[in-house]
This record gives sequence, structure tokens and C-alpha cells, in this order.
Amino acid sequence: DVKVTQSSRYLVKRTGEKVFLECVQDMDHENMFWYRQDPGLGLRLIYFSYDVKMKEKGDIPEGYSVSREKKERFSLILESASTNQTSMYLCASSPPPPGKNTEAFFGQGTRLTVV
Amino acid sequence: SQQGEEDPQALSIQEGENATMNCSYKTSINNLQWYRQNSGRGLVHLILIRSNEREKHSGRLRVTLDTSKKSSSLLITASRAADTASYFCATDAYGGATNKLIFGTGTLLAVQP
Repeated sequence: DVKVTQSSRYLVKRTGEKVFLECVQDMDHENMFWYRQDPGLGLRLIYFSYDVKMKEKGDIPEGYSVSREKKERFSLILESASTNQTSMYLCASSPPPPGKNTEAFFGQGTRLTVV
Repeated sequence: SQQGEEDPQALSIQEGENATMNCSYKTSINNLQWYRQNSGRGLVHLILIRSNEREKHSGRLRVTLDTSKKSSSLLITASRAADTASYFCATDAYGGATNKLIFGTGTLLAVQP
């Protein structure tokens, strides 16, 4: 059974803290994604990665960075957390390559609250 | 933003009725996918329709795609209380080094027993 695992279901952090959200997949997928989900706005793409050490900005990368040192792990980093980054964060992975008709597999989500 | 939009934002129906959700998008696509999200959880893939297909069925789900109008619809027939969830369309668009999924804003479906 395929699996995408996010390290935490719930997190509470203070303003200004550096925050790491971890995501691990066991399907040997090349593509991995980070989205944030807010009421009324749906899912918005923050960053994605198509290979180890490769990354591309999504629609809302400001205030975030990512790291992909190993194929199975994709980390989202909030360098200095702010209250407007309070949100649900969703990680996903999908098989390669470009042009294939394939689905994405999602983790269970991390609900981050910045106080 | 490339984000698509879904219509309606919320839908409430009785068990046994059909539910129809619509999705509009902005760019050329490789395929369009529909996902379901139970409250506070991750998304689960339901069905994928390729850009050269017009209609697809899977169990109680029927999806149509009109690339000339850049729109899609999801029909759930004979709905059940367990179908209560949020439903999202996602377009798989060409771009960069890989395909990436762009999601719509979602439709919240409530099925009353």
C-alpha cells in the first residue's frame, strides 16, 4: 500500500521560530509537492521537486524554502514563522516522468498554528 | 494565478439524489483529475480524464471534460451520507521540468441521511 507520511498532524510554533515540516514517501516517486490549504482558497502550490536536489517554485513560495537531499524525503522550511503562515500543509508525491497521466498521493496533512 | 474554480462552493442534497460539481480552469492541460477530502484529512484520488477524452465513468462517478470551454463536471449518482466531503478538481499542466497539479477551490458536499 502506497504511503506518504507527514511527521506531525498538529504543530504549534511561535512567531519568528524556524519550522521544519517533513514528508516521506515509500513509492520511489521522483515528484514531490508541498501545498497549503486555507478556507475558500483551496490548495495552493508552494514548491515542488522533480528529483533529488532539484526544486521549483510554485504559486506562493514567499516565506518558504525546501530541501530534497534524498529521494524519499521532501522538507518544507519556514525560515521565520509568521501568523499568516497558520494553515494546513499537505505533501504529495507522484510518479515520473512529465507527460504521464498519473495521480498524486497525499499525506494526512499538518495543521500548523503560529502564535 | 493558474488556479481553477469550482462551482458551487457548497452543495447540500438528500441521500439517493445525484450531485453535480463543476470545474473551470485556465491553461492547456495534459489531464484533469478529481480528488476527495474528508474533513481535516489528506486528499484521495477519485478519477482521471485525459485531454483527448470527453467522458469517463468509475462506479457511481461520471466525469466530463470540455477542453474548448476549459471546464469539467463530476457527477455522483445515488449519493450516500458517506459521500459527504470536499471535492477538488486538479489540472495536470505542462510546464517546467515536470507536470504539476493545480487545484481548484473545492466544493463542499453534504449528503443528508
